Amino acid sequence: DAKTTQPPSMDCAEGRAANLPCNHSTISGNEYVYWYRQIHSQGPQYIIHGLKNNETNEMASLIITEDRKSSTLILPHATLRDTAVYYCIVRVTGNQFYFGTGTSLTVIP
Amino acid sequence: GAVVSQHPSWVICKSGTSVKIECRSLDFQATTMFWYRQFPKQSLMLMATSNEGSKATYEQGVEKDKFLINHASLTLSTLTVTSAHPEDSSFYICSARDSIGGQFYEQYFGPGTRLTVT
Repeated sequence: DAKTTQPPSMDCAEGRAANLPCNHSTISGNEYVYWYRQIHSQGPQYIIHGLKNNETNEMASLIITEDRKSSTLILPHATLRDTAVYYCIVRVTGNQFYFGTGTSLTVIP
Repeated sequence: GAVVSQHPSWVICKSGTSVKIECRSLDFQATTMFWYRQFPKQSLMLMATSNEGSKATYEQGVEKDKFLINHASLTLSTLTVTSAHPEDSSFYICSARDSIGGQFYEQYFGPGTRLTVT
């Protein structure tokens, strides 16, 4: 079962930073937080993951609170191609991913 | 990067027939693959975990006799929807975990297969 809570939708102006929040208050100490996104009618695309430290890669930054009960995915300069549904996932034992409802991000020109 | 393919990308079949969907890891070996189903405007729902050389593990509420999974090699898993009905129409997505070269827990997703049962 999904262990994350995300807002259903968000808008962001093109060129601005998109900050997508996720609550995972029941996360265990050894569970990672993963972010994937899904563009319409395609398979999910990996973005980033982290355990307790903030992470950054070429796509995004992941900020995890000190108590690990929430995190924020940051797309530093959103483009129209970033319009997608973004999923925050807490990996449970057995390596299965249970997807929550995700956040539908719309980047506005 | 790691690539997962699915075949076919879309399929239309008649009610009562069976349909097989293939999931292949193209440039890595995957001892574990996962099958998801997604209905329109809904999230992905995990159906089963497929392990190479052993029986698949199905999520609660998923009929194992209806959704047959075979993972006969390190690069191929198949999902067969038996006696398909219109309510089985959905987007089926597989993912694979790189057993050797990748991050231990990272999953790579296929592009999905759109199944329509008439």
